Amino acid sequence: DAGITQSPRYKITETGRQVTLMCHQTWSHSYMFWYRQDLGHGLRLIYYSAAADITDKGEVPDGYVVSRSKTENFPLTLESATRSQTSVYFCASRDPGETQYFGPGTRLLVL
Amino acid sequence: ILNVEQSPQSLHVQEGDSTNFTCSFPSSNFYALHWYRWETAKSPEALFVMTLNGDEKKKGRISATLNTKEGYSYLYIKGSQPEDSATYLCAFRDSNYQLIWGAGTKLIIKP
Repeated sequence: DAGITQSPRYKITETGRQVTLMCHQTWSHSYMFWYRQDLGHGLRLIYYSAAADITDKGEVPDGYVVSRSKTENFPLTLESATRSQTSVYFCASRDPGETQYFGPGTRLLVL
Repeated sequence: ILNVEQSPQSLHVQEGDSTNFTCSFPSSNFYALHWYRWETAKSPEALFVMTLNGDEKKKGRISATLNTKEGYSYLYIKGSQPEDSATYLCAFRDSNYQLIWGAGTKLIIKP
C-alpha cells in the first residue's frame, strides 16, 4: 500500500529493554522525522533524516538511536527503555513542497 | 529557543457557528507556517503551507491568513460542522527545515 506505515501500532515493554519502532514510506521522500506526542506538549522532534545515511538530532534525542540505510525506512530504537519514554510516537516524511505526511503512530507503554 | 503559541487551548462551538483561532510565531527569520488538522485516534493531516506575508488560503469552509511581520496566523472555520471537531496544529518552519509545533487548539463542535 502506498503511504507511510508504522509498526508495531501498540507496544508494551519493560524498563531497560531495547525496543525498535519501524517506519516505512513508499514515496521516496528524502526527509523523514520521528516525533513523540505527550499530554501537555505539542509534537516534539526526536530525530530527523535528510537522506539515506544522513541523520540529525531534534529537540529530544536522548535515549534514542536512529538509522537510515534505505530511503524508505527510518527505524527508531530505544536502547534501554525508561518510563519517561512512554508516549505516542509518530513517524513522518516530507514532500518537496514541505508538507509532512504522518504515519498512524505507535503507542508505547514502558512498565 | 523558538516558540509557537496557539490560543485558545480549547474551544466549544455550536454547530453552524463560525469560529477562529490564533497561532503566534517568531516574526524574524520567517520561512513558512503550516496548519494541520488532527482528529482523535488519527494522524495529523496537512491543511495549509503558507509562505508569504498577507497569504490567504482556503479549503472548503476552512481558511487561513498570515501576517509574518507581526508573527501571527488565523485559522477560520465557517459554519462549523461536527466533523470539524479536531485539534488544529500550527507549526513554524525554522532555518533547518524543521517544524516547531504549537500545542494545538482543540475544537469541539456541539450539535
